[in-house]
Amino acid sequence: KQEVTQIPAALSVPEGENLVLNCSFTDSAIYNLQWFRQDPGKGLTSLLLIQSSQREQTSGRLNASLDKSSGRSTLYIAASQPGDSATYLCAVWVGLGAGSYQLTFGKGTKLSVIP
Amino acid sequence: EADIYQTPRYLVIGTGKKITLECSQTMGHDKMYWYQQDPGMELHLIHYSYGVNSTEKGDLSSESTVSRIRTEHFPLTLESARPSHTSQYLCASSGYEQYFGPGTRLTVT
Repeated sequence: KQEVTQIPAALSVPEGENLVLNCSFTDSAIYNLQWFRQDPGKGLTSLLLIQSSQREQTSGRLNASLDKSSGRSTLYIAASQPGDSATYLCAVWVGLGAGSYQLTFGKGTKLSVIP
Repeated sequence: EADIYQTPRYLVIGTGKKITLECSQTMGHDKMYWYQQDPGMELHLIHYSYGVNSTEKGDLSSESTVSRIRTEHFPLTLESARPSHTSQYLCASSGYEQYFGPGTRLTVT
């Protein structure tokens, strides 16, 4: 059974710092890996999706990498801002059949960026 | 604008009541999902659908049921709500990515 672990569980940094969030998964047979942001009491906002054949994806100040063989992904946030404060979730896509995929989530990293 | 909607956003209801959580998407996706998230815990898949008239149970056992009569609509029903059903319920649909609705926070008293 696929398990996803995110380290650290919580992180507090001063504004302007660069930071790295870590995600590891136990079964390398994944289809995609997707990073999300969740604000308190809200749904999930997709940040980046990395296909299993890709090594990284970039969007603005965000860069996500994927190493399938070692079961690891990292999310790099450059020049952090207070608006980046949220919980960041890593999810791996696992096939359900007939073109459907289940996302298996980690518990998330709660990020606080201090002004 | 293509989006995914959930109603109600918040619901407080007494034990034994029947409730239906609504989910609609305007993205034309065949595949839809329901996830449950307890506070501070991971999301877990409870139901999914490949398309109209297709529903399957997910990893996490749930007393809820779902239906998929129209492509855009994927409601979740609890026939008799209990305090153990208190949680956040998130609906999603997938094309290239999985897109999530804002969630319904359910409290059963």
